[in-house]
Amino acid sequence: DTGVSQDPRHKITKRGQNVTFRCDPISEHNRLYWYRQTLGQGPEFLTYFQNEAQLEKSRLLSDRFSAERPKGSFSTLEIQRTEQGDSAMYLCASSTDRGYTFGSGTRLTVV
Amino acid sequence: AQSVTQLDSQVPVFEEAPVELRCNYSSSVSVYLFWYVQYPNQGLQLLLKYLSGSTLVKGINGFEAEFNKSQTSFHLRKPSVHISDTAEYFCAVGRGSTLGRLYFGRGTQLTVWP
Repeated sequence: DTGVSQDPRHKITKRGQNVTFRCDPISEHNRLYWYRQTLGQGPEFLTYFQNEAQLEKSRLLSDRFSAERPKGSFSTLEIQRTEQGDSAMYLCASSTDRGYTFGSGTRLTVV
Repeated sequence: AQSVTQLDSQVPVFEEAPVELRCNYSSSVSVYLFWYVQYPNQGLQLLLKYLSGSTLVKGINGFEAEFNKSQTSFHLRKPSVHISDTAEYFCAVGRGSTLGRLYFGRGTQLTVWP
């Protein structure tokens, strides 16, 4: 069990730029989730994949956000035309019916 | 909608004292429950989980929690805390028969003083 890996750990970008984050789940976990955590808050659900199918999206996921999981393995989360309000920690998790594991997160700062 | 309430945003305690961090949830369906710990600028580390079975759950680092269905609570306890337990603690709830999205509380900052 190598854990859930996220890349990069930190990203600073200028407002209006596009950014992409990657998540590599635990290999035997078929479900993958993205959450967003802002300062002083608990994580908020963004979206969820079972294998390559995106099964649920939060209303927090505006049309500037897109997530993919090609081939049911790693996933990417892209934010287009970033805004200062997008500054947050983006957490990825993967699960089976018995376990739920989070990655270390990608901290995004939009300046 | 599912909601998770962590009743205390901050809990200061002295080293070696007992601590209880409270968590209540709202759900009319079967739930599964988690406690996570988060250190600054890090991800979430699982402390313990309740999926089914015994309502008293033991986790890592000497923590335990009890699932109380009638009171819809899942309070976290430790009989004697260390300075290294200083961190943010999150209660999370999922619902239904399979693991899926989690709903998190706003967190409790535990600060342990020497």
